[in-house]
Amino acid sequence: EPEVTQTPSHQVTQMGQEVILRCVPISNHLYFYWYRQILGQKVEFLVSFYNNEISEKSEIFDDQFSVERPDGSNFTLKIRSTKLEDSAMYFCASSERGVTDTQYFGPGTRLTVL
Amino acid sequence: GENVEQHPSTLSVQEGDSAVIKCTYSDSASNYFPWYKQELGKRPQLIIDIRSNVGEKKDQRIAVTLNKTAKHFSLHITETQPEDSAVYFCAARRRSGDDKIIFGKGTRLHILP
Repeated sequence: EPEVTQTPSHQVTQMGQEVILRCVPISNHLYFYWYRQILGQKVEFLVSFYNNEISEKSEIFDDQFSVERPDGSNFTLKIRSTKLEDSAMYFCASSERGVTDTQYFGPGTRLTVL
Repeated sequence: GENVEQHPSTLSVQEGDSAVIKCTYSDSASNYFPWYKQELGKRPQLIIDIRSNVGEKKDQRIAVTLNKTAKHFSLHITETQPEDSAVYFCAARRRSGDDKIIFGKGTRLHILP
């Protein structure tokens, strides 16, 4: 069964550094999402992406965040200048519109900002 | 915007007994309600979902009910087993396509031997 994949599984970075989290959505999916989960808390929506542009973003997704689909398979989340409070698990998800609404989640990238 | 409340935050049940987790939502335009199971350190996995044109859905030991009028939905797990121990999240979404999923805070379910 196809799955969403993410790399790296764990990223450690210094405060103020840029990080790029990578995702490969399921191949025939058209909608892509990033969520984050601070340790022990609920999963929070960051951004949705369709047709090469952002569809919706939350208040968490400020100017330090950006998303990109650089090619036909990858979907990336960039944090320009990381803060301590960015430490969290970041999940990518994808869905196939028109057939099912189910969003399938990747295994996550644990980001630790020191 | 949508707000999803989930209760209880922690639930312990004896193996073989039933577990019930309850959620409420605020946006009457929500029409899709998935439930995710998350084991420690792993991704959320969809276990069952229900759409607003249906009042109940069942899949083996798992069932979900929806009361649109009251904006309540619940997850029922019968004949619980040790592998049911996990965190369960309810969620709501307004429409199909690209709308975000709003999650509840989660219920940590412990199955006691």
